[in-house]
Amino acid sequence: EDQVTQSPEALRLQEGESSSLNCSYTVSGLRGLFWYRQDPGKGPEFLFTLYSAGEEKEKERLKATLTKKESFLHITAPKPEDSATYLCAVQGAYGQNFVFGPGTRLSVLP
Amino acid sequence: SAVISQKPSRDICQRGTSLTIQCQVDSQVTMMFWYRQQPGQSLTLIATANQGSEATYESGFVIDKFPISRPNLTFSTLTVSNMSPEDSSIYLCSVEDRWRGSTDTQYFGPGTRLTVL
Repeated sequence: EDQVTQSPEALRLQEGESSSLNCSYTVSGLRGLFWYRQDPGKGPEFLFTLYSAGEEKEKERLKATLTKKESFLHITAPKPEDSATYLCAVQGAYGQNFVFGPGTRLSVLP
Repeated sequence: SAVISQKPSRDICQRGTSLTIQCQVDSQVTMMFWYRQQPGQSLTLIATANQGSEATYESGFVIDKFPISRPNLTFSTLTVSNMSPEDSSIYLCSVEDRWRGSTDTQYFGPGTRLTVL
């Protein structure tokens, strides 16, 4: 059974304090790993798709990386507007449905 | 990416009643999905809405409780039937466009926040 875990459950950072969020997964052949941002009361907003180990994607202060067992979302010099829940999801090689992790709640304090 | 809207955005309902949630996309898409997000929890897939045929339900979800329609490639509805307080959740529609993109990325609507009293 495909599984996704995320750590930490919650993270509080000072503005400008860089850190990383972890997404660990077990899947029967990875078709894709997806990162989303979700603000309270809203639907998830797509950030990145990663397909193979060694792949990296960047967007503003965010950088996602992928290994064979986990993915990291690096946040460089975060700002208060980066505060949100970050969700990771995987899709198996045979086009199965997405399996979402529990998310990491990030708070960036001014 | 496609623009997705949901109606209603929120509702408060009485136990035993039913609510139909609409999902409209601004372009034709291949796949449409319905998720539930209970308070403080992550997303759980309810079903895949299939155009012109019965939806495909995940384990733990049944058609009698969550009937789904998808009459065309831009629209779907989810009904939450005979509601109880345990059905209080955010219900999310998502789409995946395998025709247009090289990815299988899912894009989400804004969600419908349901409270059952």
